[in-house]
Amino acid sequence: DAGVTQSPTHLIKTRGQQVTLRCSPKSGHDTVSWYQQALGQGPQFIFQYYEEEERQRGNFPDRFSGHQFPNYSSELNVNALLLGDSALYLCASSLGGRRWETQYFGPGTRLLVL
Amino acid sequence: DQQVKQNSPSLSVQEGRISILNCDYTNSMFDYFLWYKKYPAEGPTFLISISSIKDKNEDGRFTVFLNKSAKHLSLHIVPSQPGDSAVYFCAASLTDSWGKFQFGAGTQVVVTP
Repeated sequence: DAGVTQSPTHLIKTRGQQVTLRCSPKSGHDTVSWYQQALGQGPQFIFQYYEEEERQRGNFPDRFSGHQFPNYSSELNVNALLLGDSALYLCASSLGGRRWETQYFGPGTRLLVL
Repeated sequence: DQQVKQNSPSLSVQEGRISILNCDYTNSMFDYFLWYKKYPAEGPTFLISISSIKDKNEDGRFTVFLNKSAKHLSLHIVPSQPGDSAVYFCAASLTDSWGKFQFGAGTQVVVTP
């Protein structure tokens, strides 16, 4: 049973560019959440997708957008990259509809903005 | 505004002894709490959770205690094993918040022989 997978594992971009990160949820899961983890900090919630809609959003600017596909996989897009966007981006999947469901995390995509 | 705080960035404990990790929160509306463990180059792995209607939850070597009046929770690992060496995060969510967890900054645990 494949767990949560993310691609790419590492990425280097320059300021002002745009980036797309991808996530495939654990088999059977229909909900995907995205987190940003800066060095030395805990993960910060970006947003959550359920039934192809953004259900919850954290305190991130509109430069951060996402999408969920009918197969439940998801993309995170970041426009106009800033140096401060350098971080580990984590995707977590769960079974939606119930609040208490455990989130399973992928290994993350490490983004470096130069 | 950091509403979930782990004030100890690191903890060293001998194998076989008890590890106690602490977490404080400021928002009294948090009603569901979790602990995650993270190894390098891996995503966080769920360990144990507790809802605000309880004050203790056990799962094998792991026990989480919740003190709502003090807005404090702790994770006890007994006995500590070398494989427990990892970063531990506590996380909390608000009522009606679907999976929107707020994480602490983490505590690095090192279990020594």
